[in-house]
Amino acid sequence: SQKIEQNSEALNIQEGKTATLTCNYTNYSPAYLQWYRQDPGRGPVFLLLIRENEKEKRKERLKVTFDTTLKQSLFHITASQPADSATYLCAGGPYSGAGSYQLTFGKGTKLSVIP
Amino acid sequence: GAVVSQHPSWVICKSGTSVKIECRSLDFQATTMFWYRQFPKQSLMLMATSNEGSKATYEQGVEKDKFLINHASLTLSTLTVTSAHPEDSSFYICSASGHSYEQYFGPGTRLTVT
Repeated sequence: SQKIEQNSEALNIQEGKTATLTCNYTNYSPAYLQWYRQDPGRGPVFLLLIRENEKEKRKERLKVTFDTTLKQSLFHITASQPADSATYLCAGGPYSGAGSYQLTFGKGTKLSVIP
Repeated sequence: GAVVSQHPSWVICKSGTSVKIECRSLDFQATTMFWYRQFPKQSLMLMATSNEGSKATYEQGVEKDKFLINHASLTLSTLTVTSAHPEDSSFYICSASGHSYEQYFGPGTRLTVT
């Protein structure tokens, strides 16, 4: 079955450094990957989407890459701040019809930015 | 940005009763809504996908007679947990999507069945 794997359950990083989170996919080729932020007891918040034909996408301090050879996406937060502490979810999925798309989520990586 | 609301944000009910959770897209028309369940420290598990005006498509292992989904309009979907049991206690989250890849999530509903 198709899987999205985020192998690091938790990541601690010093404030000001760049945080790098990894997402791998197996048994399918997603047309796109998405990254979400989830705070405790809240629903996920959409951050970035990258399509399979795009190598890199940026939004402010965020950068995401998509490597179809390695079957991997990397999510970077530069100049990290304590407010960036949250769980980050990777999700992907193929087209499922009706103009909208099902997502398969990874378990997430809990990022803690230490002041 | 797109806003999705859920009501209630938390609910406690007795075993055997039914609970209805509402999901609304406030500022856009959601052609598709998704219902997820999330257990502590686990990933979001898709329960069902619903398109406005048609029957929901349930994921394998999700009982459609237990989790009733109605998507009556482009801005409202409801999930009813029927004859709830303690093992149904979880965090239920809906998301809505228009004609794009992005899904916009509601804040979630914490269900506790005693």
